[in-house]
Amino acid sequence: DTAVSQTPKYLVTQMGNDKSIKCEQNLGHDTMYWYKQDSKKFLKIMFSYNNKELIINETVPNRFSPKSPDKAHLNLHINSLELGDSAVYFCASSQTYSQGEAFFGQGTRLTVV
Amino acid sequence: AQSVTQLDSQVPVFEEAPVELRCNYSSSVSVYLFWYVQYPNQGLQLLLKYLSGSTLVKGINGFEAEFNKSQTSFHLRKPSVHISDTAEYFCAVRTLGGNQGGKLIFGQGTELSVKP
Repeated sequence: DTAVSQTPKYLVTQMGNDKSIKCEQNLGHDTMYWYKQDSKKFLKIMFSYNNKELIINETVPNRFSPKSPDKAHLNLHINSLELGDSAVYFCASSQTYSQGEAFFGQGTRLTVV
Repeated sequence: AQSVTQLDSQVPVFEEAPVELRCNYSSSVSVYLFWYVQYPNQGLQLLLKYLSGSTLVKGINGFEAEFNKSQTSFHLRKPSVHISDTAEYFCAVRTLGGNQGGKLIFGQGTELSVKP
C-alpha cells in the first residue's frame, strides 16, 4: 500500500491549458503539502493544509489553486499553464503541521510545451 | 526566518571511502532536523531525524548525523559508501513555534556521486 500517492506521474501539456494533479495519503495524517522541485533540484514549499484548512500559502501565482476535499486528499489545479511551470511537483503529508517528518509521494513531472 | 544551507552542491567520492555532507541552518527558535535521500526519478525518503535527546542520530543505510547546536549544524556522515548511495541528499529544518512554526524548509541539495 502506497502511503502518499499522486497521479499522474507524468504530464505533458501545451501552454495555456489547465491541468490537475491529485494526491492521496492513507497514513491518517492531518497535514498535507505541495512542493515544487525545479530543474536544479531545489525544493520549494507551495502550500500546506491542516485538516482541510490552508495554513501555508507561499508566493505562488494565483493560477495555482489547491483543494482539499478531506484531510486525506490534496489536489493541485493549475490554470493557463506556462513554460516556467515545468517542474516536478511533490505531494507530502505529516502527522501534524508542527512536528515530525514529512512523507513524500513519487512526484509528478509536469512538462509544458 | 529559518534557512538551510548545504555547503556542497556536489560531492564525488570513491567506493568504500568515508563521506560527510554538510548542513547548516539558521533559526531563532528550536528546530527539528532531517536528512532525506532522493534517488533518480523518485520521491524523497527519510534517512534520519533529530527531534530531541542524543545529538548523534543513526539512520537507515548506515548513515548518521550529529546535531551541533552551537555551530547550528547537522552534518551527515557514512564511514564507507557504496555505489548504491549515489543520489541527491537534502537537509531539512522544521521550526518549533515562531512565526514560521511548522514550515518544513529544505536545503539546496547535495549530489553524492560514488565512483568505483
